[in-house]
Amino acid sequence: DTGVSQDPRHKITKRGQNVTFRCDPISEHNRLYWYRQTLGQGPEFLTYFQNEAQLEKSRLLSDRFSAERPKGSFSTLEIQRTEQGDSAMYLCASSFPGLAGEQYFGPGTRLTVT
Amino acid sequence: AQSVSQHNHHVILSEAASLELGCNYSYGGTVNLFWYVQYPGQHLQLLLKYFSGDPLVKGIKGFEAEFIKSRFSFNLRKPSVQWSDTAEYFCAVKRDDKIIFGKGTRLHILP
Repeated sequence: DTGVSQDPRHKITKRGQNVTFRCDPISEHNRLYWYRQTLGQGPEFLTYFQNEAQLEKSRLLSDRFSAERPKGSFSTLEIQRTEQGDSAMYLCASSFPGLAGEQYFGPGTRLTVT
Repeated sequence: AQSVSQHNHHVILSEAASLELGCNYSYGGTVNLFWYVQYPGQHLQLLLKYFSGDPLVKGIKGFEAEFIKSRFSFNLRKPSVQWSDTAEYFCAVKRDDKIIFGKGTRLHILP
């Protein structure tokens, strides 16, 4: 499968715990995006990388959230001290840069904070 | 605030009915427009996109959308829906390297 992959697909954690998600983009794509989707809403932009550089972060990304893409390939999204409001689907997408750079989405990681 | 509005949150149609899902955006200037679809249990997939040129865009599975700049609209259409079109549809605008999504429309096709 040469699409975007995400791991794990589901994560249940207790409030206050830290969680980390991984995204593996399509190998030729140098841009990688993270989105969050809650029930009844469309995906909301969180942050994106071009190669290893994090170019933009949304206001939605509080201090408890951190994302990395150390070698410009896979990326991790960590949430520290999880809260119930963090429960959501976390989506990763990748693309080439520029106008033709349509984004290809992974299956998402569903986080449930109890 | 900059936004993407989808008029219908939930649409129910019978097979063979015609479909039109409304989408309006509030950005000025140059925008790239998309419709994404999410079938039950699957991830988001691109249905069609508009970057420039002919404002009538054809996508996969018989879908099309028309970009009307003066109305800031990008409505999705299909002349005859099938049961397999049951899914959630998201209109989206790409601006400054980000994609801004609408809240989605759940389409349910009755067999």
